[in-house]
Parts: sequence; C-alpha cells; structure tokens
Amino acid sequence: KQEVTQIPAALSVPEGENLVLNCSFTDSAIYNLQWFRQDPGKGLTSLLLIQSSQREQTSGRLNASLDKSSGRSTLYIAASQPGDSATYLCAVNTGAGSYQLTFGKGTKLSVIP
Amino acid sequence: GAVVSQHPSWVICKSGTSVKIECRSLDFQATTMFWYRQFPKQSLMLMATSNEGSKATYEQGVEKDKFLINHASLTLSTLTVTSAHPEDSSFYICSASAGWNQPQHFGDGTRLSIL
Repeated sequence: KQEVTQIPAALSVPEGENLVLNCSFTDSAIYNLQWFRQDPGKGLTSLLLIQSSQREQTSGRLNASLDKSSGRSTLYIAASQPGDSATYLCAVNTGAGSYQLTFGKGTKLSVIP
Repeated sequence: GAVVSQHPSWVICKSGTSVKIECRSLDFQATTMFWYRQFPKQSLMLMATSNEGSKATYEQGVEKDKFLINHASLTLSTLTVTSAHPEDSSFYICSASAGWNQPQHFGDGTRLSIL
C-alpha cells in the first residue's frame, strides 16, 4: 500500500527566504505526482503536476522535482511571501487506468513578514 | 484554469437529516469525480470514485448506503449523506479530472456539522 510522508509537518520562515518542502513515497511505481496548496477551511489548489517521466516542473517562484527511483519529491519556493502561508500537500497517482491520489499529511508553512 | 464549484460550503443540521452536496465542473468535462473526507489536521482520505454514467467505486470502510454518490453528467456529481449523525461531521471535498493522467481540480469543500 502506497504511503506518502511529508517532512517537516510545519515550517516557519522569514519573508524573502527560499525554502524546500519534502515529500517521500514508498512505492516508486507512480504515474504522476501533484503538489497542492490548501488554505484554512478551503479546498485544494493544484500547483504543479509532474509526470513519472519528468524530473521537474516550474511555475513562477515554484519548482517541483521528482526522483521516482528514490521515492522523493521536493517543492522549492523562491523568495517566500506572507501570501505563501498555507498547508502544502503532496499526492501521488499510482493507479494504472485509475486516477486515485494518495495524499501526505501536508506541511504547514508560515511566512513571517 | 479549470474550475470546480462545490455547494454548499457549510451545512449545520440535526441528527437524522440527509444532506446533499453538489460538485460541478464549470469549464471542462469531468470524466471522473472524486469525493474525499478530511478530519482536522489530517490529510484527505478518498471515499469514492465516480465515473459518469456508472456506479461509484467506494474505498474500503466507506458505507455505500450511507454515502450515496450520483454522477449523472460530465459536469455534476452529488454526494448524499443519509441519516447523518454527529460522527459524520467533517470536511468533505470533491475533485474532478478531465481524463487519465490529468490533474485533479478541487472544489472549496463543504463543512458538515451534525448536531
């Protein structure tokens, strides 16, 4: 059974710092990996999707990498801003012909002005 | 970008009431929709997967007679919590996907509180 772990559970950084969030998964046979942002009491906003054949994806100040063989992904946030404060969730899709995602518990990020 | 609308955003009702939650994809056709449940400080737990025009597939431990899912069109899925009890209080989130290996797009969730 696929398990997804995110470390750290919480992170607090001063504004302007670059930071890295980590995600690991136990079964490397994945089809894609997705990073989401969740604001308190809200649903999820998709940030980046990395297909299993890709090594990284970039969107603005965000860069996500994927090392499928070692079961790891990182989300790099450059020049953090208070508006980046949220919980970041990593999810992997391991279902052939299926779309099911297995989620980690998330990293709660606080960017201090 | 892809937009998923979930309604209502907040429901408070008495024990024994049935509650219906709607999930709509506004600007794309969703081949598959998903229903998740999230407890405080926990991650999302998949409850069921529904494909348009067919019966939903429920995850182990999820009562299909309690959580009725209907996916009658490519833009609408509904979750009905039947005879809700306080232990059903939770945050329910839907998502929709346009196809295989496509991103899931999430609604804003429904906070369900059963008194």
